[in-house]
Amino acid sequence: QVHLVQSGAEVKKPGASVKVSCKASGYTFTSYDINWVRQVPGQGLEWMGWMNPNNGDSGFAQKFQARVTMTRNTSINTAYMELTSLRSEDTAVYYCAVLSTETTSSFDYWGQGTLVTVSS
Amino acid sequence: QSVVTQPPSASGTPGQRVTISCSGSSSNIGSNFVYWYQQLPGTAPKLLIYRNNQRPSGVPDRFSGSKSGTSASLAISGLRSEDEADYYCAPWDDSLGGPVFGGGTKLTVL
Repeated sequence: QVHLVQSGAEVKKPGASVKVSCKASGYTFTSYDINWVRQVPGQGLEWMGWMNPNNGDSGFAQKFQARVTMTRNTSINTAYMELTSLRSEDTAVYYCAVLSTETTSSFDYWGQGTLVTVSS
Repeated sequence: QSVVTQPPSASGTPGQRVTISCSGSSSNIGSNFVYWYQQLPGTAPKLLIYRNNQRPSGVPDRFSGSKSGTSASLAISGLRSEDEADYYCAPWDDSLGGPVFGGGTKLTVL
């Protein structure tokens, strides 16, 4: 079955960067975009952007455009999301996901989430 | 503040029917499919409805979705205690270039 397994929790200082990984299994990694969605504690879901594992193309919500990079390593079926210039407001759970909103099918899978805490 | 609006809370008693609304605009709900997610505490969201009204296998037929114009709704009939969760609508948004999540509705089963 399909699994997206993310890296563990991170604690970062303001101004630092964080890189979260997302290892896919159970399907052809290059067939579907990997999206990143974050959730500030106690708040709603926020889409950050997408990355095409086949060719590396990516697109981001304008809010994150200047600070986010999404990459992949197809040899190990892993996607990465790096967020720079971290501030306290970036404290959130970050999810990688293959989203039905893009596949327009019931193929929709999420990682378990990675808590990133930004604190001095 | 999301561009797609949901009521922050909803409630019902076991067995009741509850609806959750989702209001958007021509750039999202008005021109694209709507998706609904259920999020239980401490877990990743789970797809409940895709393409406005389609249920993935395994989702009970107590859950149904509909869309009209720039609004959509999720109906849950025969409410059960395990339905207590946060619910999010998520249409694609042409301006964003991606899905826009509603602010979420916390459903309480009394």
